[in-house]
Amino acid sequence: KNEVEQSPQNLTAQEGEFITINCSYSVGISALHWLQQHPGGGIVSLFMLSSGKKKHGRLIATINIQEKHSSLHITASHPRDSAVYICAVMEYGNKLVFGAGTILRVKS
Amino acid sequence: GAVVSQHPSRVICKSGTSVKIECRSLDFQATTMFWYRQFPKKSLMLMATSNEGSKATYEQGVEKDKFLINHASLTLSTLTVTSAHPEDSSFYICSARGDRGRTDTQYFGPGTRLTVL
Repeated sequence: KNEVEQSPQNLTAQEGEFITINCSYSVGISALHWLQQHPGGGIVSLFMLSSGKKKHGRLIATINIQEKHSSLHITASHPRDSAVYICAVMEYGNKLVFGAGTILRVKS
Repeated sequence: GAVVSQHPSRVICKSGTSVKIECRSLDFQATTMFWYRQFPKKSLMLMATSNEGSKATYEQGVEKDKFLINHASLTLSTLTVTSAHPEDSSFYICSARGDRGRTDTQYFGPGTRLTVL
């Protein structure tokens, strides 16, 4: 079993839909990252969370430390949101462990 | 704006040659830099961790003589793929952690796509 599990693996949505991507992990962590990778490869760090909730524009990230679960939400999705979204947890000792990623495609 | 840069963004080389990839932190001092490799449709795999002024720590299964890492200054780390072969073709990404923002935040570079013919 992977230490970091993401769901769904693939997601297709219509423009304007509310999107949720989930991440579950099995180890103790000091922080959790949500990353975005566009075609062509560049990675952008969207959020780093250690508790609660963060919001940036149309993106919202939440984490429940007790349940070892985090969600990334995209409101009013747009085709430019199409990308791979990766959950990565920082284990104590500062090693990042990555999920396999969720491929999101938003159709207009 | 970008806080970590990589150069080159793409490189194509012949089998047997060596390729150097640079990773720079642009507005902060990176005490630790990480090198990752990503195969198509796979997640990132940590290759090595380097701290400025000391030898890199390689993950299990990564050949240190094949992937030479130098972290000579607080703003620059280099990865040299020596005697490259087609199986080394991949997307290489660096990240840096240091005195910018939270000290446990990693900032990712844009990546370098290496193709070995």
